[in-house]
Amino acid sequence: AQSVTQLDSHVSVSEGTPVLLRCNYSSSYSPSLFWYVQHPNKGLQLLLKYTSAATLVKGINGFEAEFKKSETSFHLTKPSAHMSDAAEYFCVVSDQRNTGKLIFGQGTTLQVKP
Amino acid sequence: DGGITQSPKYLFRKEGQNVTLSCEQNLNHDAMYWYRQDPGQGLRLIYYSQIVNDFQKGDIAEGYSVSREKKESFPLTVTSAQKNPTAFYLCASSILGTGDEQFFGPGTRLTVL
Repeated sequence: AQSVTQLDSHVSVSEGTPVLLRCNYSSSYSPSLFWYVQHPNKGLQLLLKYTSAATLVKGINGFEAEFKKSETSFHLTKPSAHMSDAAEYFCVVSDQRNTGKLIFGQGTTLQVKP
Repeated sequence: DGGITQSPKYLFRKEGQNVTLSCEQNLNHDAMYWYRQDPGQGLRLIYYSQIVNDFQKGDIAEGYSVSREKKESFPLTVTSAQKNPTAFYLCASSILGTGDEQFFGPGTRLTVL
C-alpha cells in the first residue's frame, strides 16, 4: 500500500532564507507525486507534480521538488522564502490502483518570520 | 472562469439535523471527491465519484451520503448519524479519475452547535 510521510509538522524560516519541506513516500510502483499549498480557510492549490518525466520538477511561486527514487523522497524547496509563503503544505501520492484517489501526508506548517 | 464552487462558506447546524453541502464544477471533469479536514490533520476521503450515477465510499463514509445526478454537481449530506461533524469540508475534481491532479474548491466550514 502506498503512503506518504511528511517529516516535519512545523518549519520556521526567516524571510529571504531557503525553505526545505521534507517528504518520503512508499509505493510499489513509480508513483505520481504532488505538492499542494493551503492558506488559512482556503482550498488547496497545486504547487507542482511529478509524473515520471524529469526528476527535478519546477512549480509555481519559485518552488521546486526533486524526485529521488533511491531515497523514496520528494522534498520541496525554495531558494528564498517570502512572507506570503506562510501556509500549510501537503505532500501527496496517487493511488496506484488507478482509482483516482490521492493519499495525503499530514501536512507541514511553514512559518516565515520577518 | 472555470473552477469549483462550494456553498455555503460557513454553515451552522444543530445537533440532530441533516445538512447538505453544495459542490459544483464547470471544468467538465469526470471525477469528483469529498474530503474532510480537521485541525492538524491531512485530508481524509469521504466519498468519490468517477462517473455520473456512480460513487464509492472513501475512508470515512459513515454518517455521510452523496449523489451524482449531473456531471457538474456532487452534493454531500452530513446526516445526524455523523458523530463529530464539525470540520472543514473540501470538494475536488479531476479529469479522468486515474491519479491525475485534483482541483479543489474553497471549502465549507461546518459547525455543529
